[in-house]
Amino acid sequence: ETGVTQSPTHLIKTRGQQVTLRCSSQSGHNTVSWYQQALGQGPQFIFQYYREEENGRGNFPPRFSGLQFPNYSSELNVNALELDDSALYLCASSFGTGELFFGEGSRLTVL
Amino acid sequence: RKEVEQDPGPFNVPEGATVAFNCTYSNSASQSFFWYRQDCRKEPKLLMSVYSSGNEDGRFTAQLNRASQYISLLIRDSKLSDSATYLCAVISNSGYSTLTFGKGTMLLVSP
Repeated sequence: ETGVTQSPTHLIKTRGQQVTLRCSSQSGHNTVSWYQQALGQGPQFIFQYYREEENGRGNFPPRFSGLQFPNYSSELNVNALELDDSALYLCASSFGTGELFFGEGSRLTVL
Repeated sequence: RKEVEQDPGPFNVPEGATVAFNCTYSNSASQSFFWYRQDCRKEPKLLMSVYSSGNEDGRFTAQLNRASQYISLLIRDSKLSDSATYLCAVISNSGYSTLTFGKGTMLLVSP
């Protein structure tokens, strides 16, 4: 157990809908990173939050957005869902640039 | 050229065999290197960091070759429980802990 919890674990949406995924970081960690893992692929970096500010972003469109809260938990929001957004969304927490600890992920299916 | 490349496999080996995976990275400024293990439909878990001097943890040995820009993972005396996907990951920017993953190499150990 890493102490990183994500919700929901599974969800199904239709094209055009919006989704919010949540992540509670491990106690003592101040940095949260989000990754998307499509089937058969490695995780792809979406963005990172440090002290409630976006601290780096991968090659994802603006319809992928996020938040970090004062307690360091985080949300990932995806608007205007597309079929290709179907993936496992992984949250990882760390203390600064230290080791990343991954949650079990949220599996999103877009129909 | 992809930033981190791995042979996707699968590698099918009998119990007790020795198996080696390689991973190449394109950014010569890469700072840190890791091997993660990912079980089917689960989150990645850190297997080991890879140091310039090489490092060993039980049956697992990791090596880094900066000149040729590759890292390797050697598993000796394979166990059935070693069956998983092994992800190579690289941190290219020391400013924040953003991992760039390869697609992973699948290992299947059979009785």
